[in-house]
Amino acid sequence: AQSVAQPEDQVNVAEGNPLTVKCTYSVSGNPYLFWYVQYPNRGLQFLLKYITGDNLVKGSYGFEAEFNKSQTSFHLKKPSALVSDSALYFCAVSLRSNDYKLSFGAGTTVTVRA
Amino acid sequence: DTGVSQNPRHKITKRGQNVTFRCDPISEHNRLYWYRQTLGQGPEFLTYFQNEAQLEKSRLLSDRFSAERPKGSFSTLEIQRTEQGDSAMYLCASSTRRDRNTGELFFGEGSRLTVL
Repeated sequence: AQSVAQPEDQVNVAEGNPLTVKCTYSVSGNPYLFWYVQYPNRGLQFLLKYITGDNLVKGSYGFEAEFNKSQTSFHLKKPSALVSDSALYFCAVSLRSNDYKLSFGAGTTVTVRA
Repeated sequence: DTGVSQNPRHKITKRGQNVTFRCDPISEHNRLYWYRQTLGQGPEFLTYFQNEAQLEKSRLLSDRFSAERPKGSFSTLEIQRTEQGDSAMYLCASSTRRDRNTGELFFGEGSRLTVL
């Protein structure tokens, strides 16, 4: 079984401030972890992934995430948020044994105010 | 545009009618997925094709649902005898296994189903 939890439905930050979107996961095995973003009226877009190796992964648009095995977390971060980062963010997990099946969290709506 | 294409984008139907959605993946992608997303929830896995072979179906797919991918190109998702609970956004995604560790899915914009 595999699942993710995104504890915050909404995150509000001022432009220029750091942005963090939280995600914790539960798997019975080695996880693949992902972040996707959904802009209004657009399809889900891949941001970044953790497969193996360095715990800090960097992705598109200046986002990064840190894999923490002891805390089973994979929080998404951006040092300085932009208004254009306002969107719906999804964390997802899959197992290496069935990497085609992603389990998504419920999503976190990020609003960056000018 | 060379992304994943889904049609129709929005379908309104009456309960009991059949509906069919089509997905055209990125041309070189041999893996194709269907997910379902309801309001306020993340996408839920429905089924997965590798080329023309349907390798896994979720228990969410009742016997009223059928998906095909003839010739390993486009895919169709048919829902028979629709129910109001089938109202959702149906998402198609594709990927390549050229790099085993890629894990990145390319999603279409979805087909929204409204069952009255």
